[in-house]
Amino acid sequence: GAGVSQSPSNKVTEKGKDVELRCDPISGHTALYWYRQSLGQGLEFLIYFQGNSAPDKSGLPSDRFSAERTGGSVSTLTIQRTQQEDSAVYLCASSLPPAGGGEQYFGPGTRLTVT
Amino acid sequence: GENVEQHPSTLSVQEGDSAVIKCTYSDSASNYFPWYKQELGKRPQLIIDIRSNVGEKKDQRIAVTLNKTAKHFSLHITETQPEDSAVYFCAASYNNNDMRFGAGTRLTVKP
Repeated sequence: GAGVSQSPSNKVTEKGKDVELRCDPISGHTALYWYRQSLGQGLEFLIYFQGNSAPDKSGLPSDRFSAERTGGSVSTLTIQRTQQEDSAVYLCASSLPPAGGGEQYFGPGTRLTVT
Repeated sequence: GENVEQHPSTLSVQEGDSAVIKCTYSDSASNYFPWYKQELGKRPQLIIDIRSNVGEKKDQRIAVTLNKTAKHFSLHITETQPEDSAVYFCAASYNNNDMRFGAGTRLTVKP
């Protein structure tokens, strides 16, 4: 079946511009995560959605970052007034409800380059 | 919230030797501990996981051990092969809620 998809796969933007990154989770997966991965670095947690609960935004690095999840499915990560240090791969992952299993399925990521 | 620490950050072994990666977690309520492998340029993929009701789990050449009292868990890879070279991430969560990852270990298996 279809896995997690993300778009765009690559995004080059000028410093100061806003960008939107999209994640389509696997159907039926109520949990959705956004991570940031700089070159050669680990997975930096950004935000977590679980069903209709209030999202855990504790990983968002600044108020320039926001995310929403509409209808419990598609999620959009928005970065306003992008900075060069925002350059990274942004990964989205989804998983079944807590009682349904643990594996997170990752999307292919969006490589963001801020020039 | 949960905080996961992972060591070492890099590990180099000879083909055929064993590799051990260790993680500690902070939240005693955490009960689910997966390990992910990320090959160069690819997305992370689950390789093994363990729940807090068991102390050890094996799958062929990989095994994970869990010490709930000490709040640490480890990944063991035996008879390493060059294709095991990758970055490995541990993670911890309560019932798969709010998963937190370690910083990763870059494993290099030298032929």
